[in-house]
Amino acid sequence: EPEVTQTPSHQVTQMGQEVILRCVPISNHLYFYWYRQILGQKVEFLVSFYNNEISEKSEIFDDRFSVERPDGSNFTLKIRSTKLEDSAMYFCASSGRQPNTGELFFGEGSRLTVL
Amino acid sequence: GNSVTQMEGPVTLSEEAFLTINCTYTATGYPSLFWYVQYPGEGLQLLLKATKADDKGSNKGFEATYRKETTSFHLEKGSVQVSDSAVYFCALSDTDSWGKFQFGAGTQVVVTP
Repeated sequence: EPEVTQTPSHQVTQMGQEVILRCVPISNHLYFYWYRQILGQKVEFLVSFYNNEISEKSEIFDDRFSVERPDGSNFTLKIRSTKLEDSAMYFCASSGRQPNTGELFFGEGSRLTVL
Repeated sequence: GNSVTQMEGPVTLSEEAFLTINCTYTATGYPSLFWYVQYPGEGLQLLLKATKADDKGSNKGFEATYRKETTSFHLEKGSVQVSDSAVYFCALSDTDSWGKFQFGAGTQVVVTP
């Protein structure tokens, strides 16, 4: 069964450094997302991406965050100048069709720890 | 704005007990409603969904009915198993959004033999 894969599973970084979290969505999907979950809190929407551009982003997704689909398979989340409060589990998701009535397929997550 | 509220956990049950997890929502328009499940060490998986009022979603013995009049989407299972131990998330998706799901805080369910 096709699945969304994420790397790394755990990333530890120093405050102020840049991190890149990588995702390989399901191959025929067209809509891509990043969510995050701070320990003990809700899963929060960060950004949606379609047709090589951001469709929607939340207030969390400030100018330190960026997303890219550099080739036909990868979807990356870059965080520059990391802060302690960026520590969270980051989930990539994809969808094969307009998502408001469809299913999002989530990866297993990448845990980011900022020290 | 839109939001989802679900009952806090953990919920601890014995095997074969009846499970209910309450979920209520606030939304404009006509959202779709979902239950996602997260097993230990895994990502979120869709459990069931309902896209309009009075729809009933069902899967793996779980059921939830989209109740517009009470703005609720409670999850139920008649007889739980140890393998149902997981965190359950209620979520809604705006009709005008692009995958901007609003999730509840999650309810941990622990089923003991």
